[in-house]
Amino acid sequence: GENVEQHPSTLSVQEGDSAVIKCTYSDSASNYFPWYKQELGKGPQLIIDIRSNVGEKKDQRIAVTLNKTAKHFSLHITETQPEDSAVYFCAAFAQNTNAGKSTFGDGTTLTVKP
Amino acid sequence: ETGVTQSPTHLIKTRGQQVTLRCSSQSGHNTVSWYQQALGQGPQFIFQYYREEENGRGNFPPRFSGLQFPNYSSELNVNALELDDSALYLCASSLQGVRNTIYFGEGSWLTVV
Repeated sequence: GENVEQHPSTLSVQEGDSAVIKCTYSDSASNYFPWYKQELGKGPQLIIDIRSNVGEKKDQRIAVTLNKTAKHFSLHITETQPEDSAVYFCAAFAQNTNAGKSTFGDGTTLTVKP
Repeated sequence: ETGVTQSPTHLIKTRGQQVTLRCSSQSGHNTVSWYQQALGQGPQFIFQYYREEENGRGNFPPRFSGLQFPNYSSELNVNALELDDSALYLCASSLQGVRNTIYFGEGSWLTVV
């Protein structure tokens, strides 16, 4: 089955700096890679996603890159703000079947210091 | 707001009991997936329902079962509760297809004592 590894597990940055979180996956059938932000006591919120036919996607301060050959993808947050502090999860989905099985990483706790 | 609603938000059960959790999917979404999230871990896929049938399952025992109704809402049932079942249970809805995106509800916190 799919295995997703996420690094680092914790990340602390100064406000205004950039943050990078990396994930690797094992199943070459995975073709959809979303990133979720989870605040304390809440469900995961989709912040950006990328599909296997695209190498990079950007949405304001957030960007995601995908290297299919190396089977890794990364989340980049620029100009971090204290409200970016949360747990971030990457996931890998094989969506070319109806099963839609998904595997999540174990999360990265991001702390942005004012 | 994702439009996915779950109930109850919190509950406490005794080991050996049974529990039913409920989920209403986002309007127009015909697929519901359930996840278990233990403290400090990522969500783990339990199963997915599409057109009222289970069409994908993760590594969970048969005492985890579900239903999907004609209005696409869903239930997760867990029998013979164990202490390790204590977790946040998340429902996610999507529109079945190759390019579907899933949206999570806020979850149901289950504590088994």
